[in-house]
Amino acid sequence: QQQVKQSPQSLIVQKGGIPIINCAYENTAFDYFPWYQQFPGKGPALLIAIRPDVSEKKEGRFTISFNKSAKQFSLHIMDSQPGDSATYFCAASKGGSARQLTFGSGTQLTVLP
Amino acid sequence: EAEVAQSPRYKITEKSQAVAFWCDPISGHATLYWYRQILGQGPELLVQFQDESVVDDSQLPKDRFSAERLKGVDSTLKIQPAELGDSAMYLCASSLSFEQFFGPGTRLTVL
Repeated sequence: QQQVKQSPQSLIVQKGGIPIINCAYENTAFDYFPWYQQFPGKGPALLIAIRPDVSEKKEGRFTISFNKSAKQFSLHIMDSQPGDSATYFCAASKGGSARQLTFGSGTQLTVLP
Repeated sequence: EAEVAQSPRYKITEKSQAVAFWCDPISGHATLYWYRQILGQGPELLVQFQDESVVDDSQLPKDRFSAERLKGVDSTLKIQPAELGDSAMYLCASSLSFEQFFGPGTRLTVL
């Protein structure tokens, strides 16, 4: 019940395209859903996050769509650029004193110039 | 901008040797996490501290791994003895509430 499933494993788009990365979860106790961006040899960087009381959140070119009934959420990157080429991880956490992140398996995104 | 600091950035060691990693969280962050990330996978939690206390170390291989945060600020993760399967990126993160901020990691290679 702690698992977060992420797809696709890899994704290649042309510059200006809109890559979409999807995640699904089982545990309905999850109440915080962040996305992280990781470049090779670097630590994950928090990109954007959403709580289940909203269905969409936008920050710059990044948008999270959240479907509570389907227990799914996705990341959309508008007007993608070669500099967006990285590995993206979705994650989820639930409340309590030991708030811990459960990560998806990652999506390697390549944006072609 | 405040950041999580980690050192060393890279460590190469031979199996059966001892290694130690250091983490300095963002100032004021009471919660500190150590994660292990195997190449091509997402980070997996090893241990979580709240101030100087361990909140969860259920995934820490305690026969060879130890972690401490004596004064509730910086933290050390130790492996003794290192095994070939310990080769991975070791990440430290800190948090004030929901958001976790990661350091650059220590890339460990065990030969």
